Amino acid sequence: NAGVTQTPKFQVLKTGQSMTLQCAQDMNHNSMYWYRQDPGMGLRLIYYSASEGTTDKGEVPNGYNVSRLNKREFSLRLESAAPSQTSVYFCASSGTRHLYNSPLHFGNGTRLTVT
Amino acid sequence: DQQVKQNSPSLSVQEGRISILNCDYTNSMFDYFLWYKKYPAEGPTFLISISSIKDKNEDGRFTVFLNKSAKHLSLHIVPSQPGDSAVYFCAATNNAGNNRKLIWGLGTSLAVNP
Repeated sequence: NAGVTQTPKFQVLKTGQSMTLQCAQDMNHNSMYWYRQDPGMGLRLIYYSASEGTTDKGEVPNGYNVSRLNKREFSLRLESAAPSQTSVYFCASSGTRHLYNSPLHFGNGTRLTVT
Repeated sequence: DQQVKQNSPSLSVQEGRISILNCDYTNSMFDYFLWYKKYPAEGPTFLISISSIKDKNEDGRFTVFLNKSAKHLSLHIVPSQPGDSAVYFCAATNNAGNNRKLIWGLGTSLAVNP
């Protein structure tokens, strides 16, 4: 049982390049999330999907797009990467969008560097 | 302005002793609090939570205490083990009905020495 799987683990981009971060979960969870973690900033929510077919902006959505491809997969796209998007990106899922008895399960992260 | 503060970036404890990790918050509307643990090169994993209607929640070696008047919570690990060495994040929300409202602290790195 893999839980939440993120690919790739590491990526280096040049400014202006695009890429898609992939995330898949095998826990039959309804809700999925993309976070970024930066030094001195803590975890910040980029986008989330409460259920299949829905997505919504989080705290820091600018420069990103997402696709909830199906119940299992939730991808994050950087259309034109900027150095400010250098970060560690975490995908997470939860059974429901309610915190009670439904904590977040995280993937192992993608370390992205934009030069 | 940080609404959830973990003022100690790091903590070192001897194996077998108690580890106490602290978290302060500024928003009196927060009503649900969680602790996550993170090992290097892994994502955070859920550890324990507490609702604002309680002042203590215990799960094995881990106990979380909540002092609402002081806007303070703490995580106690007894006894501490080397495998507990990790970064611990405190998180809070004023809407436990919605996961997207979590506010995270910056973490405290715990080292448990054999």
